[in-house]
Amino acid sequence: GAVVSQHPSRVICKSGTSVKIECRSLDFQATTMFWYRQFPKQSLMLMATSNEGSKATYEQGVEKDKFLINHASLTLSTLTVTSAHPEDSSFYICSARVGGLAGNTIYFGEGSWLTVV
Amino acid sequence: KQEVTQIPAALSVPEGENLVLNCSFTDSAIYNLQWFRQDPGKGLTSLLLIQSSQREQTSGRLNASLDKSSGRSTLYIAASQPGDSATYLCAVEDQGGKLIFGQGTELSVKP
Repeated sequence: GAVVSQHPSRVICKSGTSVKIECRSLDFQATTMFWYRQFPKQSLMLMATSNEGSKATYEQGVEKDKFLINHASLTLSTLTVTSAHPEDSSFYICSARVGGLAGNTIYFGEGSWLTVV
Repeated sequence: KQEVTQIPAALSVPEGENLVLNCSFTDSAIYNLQWFRQDPGKGLTSLLLIQSSQREQTSGRLNASLDKSSGRSTLYIAASQPGDSATYLCAVEDQGGKLIFGQGTELSVKP
């Protein structure tokens, strides 16, 4: 079946630095990828929808200058947390939809734990 | 704005029991509803997907129902096992293709 891979699985960074998380669709093309954030004991909150070749669509309350999303190819989307702060520490998870059409199966990556110290 | 609620937030049962997890959503204009399993610190595993035109889906010991008009779904787990212990998330896909998740039910099955 389709696989979505995230890297790194865990990252620790110093406050004020930037960190990049990659999301790859390994055996299918994903015109649309989604980025979620999950705080401990809470549900997944959609941050943004990443569209290949165009700007990402951010959800209300998500700072687009802080969470930079790039979807330069049909198999790769990246999330860069800029000037990270301890409150950005969270579990970040991406998903990709086969074929980009609503209703098609969505596959999730394994997630990335970010700890900002 | 679509809101998804799951009850209970946590559930602890002895091995072998049948159990029901509940999910409700406020806007019935959904594309589909999915149930996911999440193990601690891990990603999501899709369990069942019910299209908006369907009433239920079954996979092994799992059965999910959907009543779109009332905004409710249930996940039934038969003969629970310790390996079923995880957080179960319900998510609806809206007409724009976004998944909106509930808070999850943390299930613990005691041997």
